[in-house]
Amino acid sequence: GQNIDQPTEMTATEGAIVQINCTYQTSGFNGLFWYQQHAGEAPTFLSYNVLDGLEEKGRFSSFLSRSKGYSYLLLKELQMKDSASYLCAVMDSNYQLIWGAGTKLIIKP
Amino acid sequence: TAGITQAPTSQILAAGRSMTLRCTQDMRHNAMYWYRQDLGLGLRLIHYSNTAGTTGKGEVPDGYSVSRANTDDFPLTLASAVPSQTSVYFCASSDSSPGTYNEQFFGPGTRLTVL
Repeated sequence: GQNIDQPTEMTATEGAIVQINCTYQTSGFNGLFWYQQHAGEAPTFLSYNVLDGLEEKGRFSSFLSRSKGYSYLLLKELQMKDSASYLCAVMDSNYQLIWGAGTKLIIKP
Repeated sequence: TAGITQAPTSQILAAGRSMTLRCTQDMRHNAMYWYRQDLGLGLRLIHYSNTAGTTGKGEVPDGYSVSRANTDDFPLTLASAVPSQTSVYFCASSDSSPGTYNEQFFGPGTRLTVL
């Protein structure tokens, strides 16, 4: 079966760095997405990786290792507004997204 | 630009009643999707449409139907609602043209409670 695993919840301090991991087993691979979802709102796109390596976009970076079935989202200089759920999703061989349950990130002052 | 709109924002529905959740996008995206999101679970695909006039079943299609008469609209119908269909429903769209990430853009969601 297809499976996306990520931690249920993480806590970090304002101004610090946090890494959210995602491991996956899917039927085929056509890219990995990270989305941010604030409570009561819709998911919004953060990043996309299809090749191995690190993609940097401002305070957010995303890493992919296809051989290990592994990705992480790195958030730097954490701000209170970064408190949200972070969703990992893999596009499978049918170009459908398979979603993880999300990681709730709590930022403390 | 509005992006994707959904209606209603929330609804309480008696079991056995039918209901249509509306979704409209103005981005001219070819693909559209319906998901449900339940606590502790990832987004689960109900139905999708790769282009106007075609639809397909996702992971959890039972009890739901869709139509795609044109590019912009993708309504989701519950023929006879049951309490297990209580959830938050998100509509999404994407542009699967070559050279795009094919990322999905989401509507604000419809919170449905079936009693």
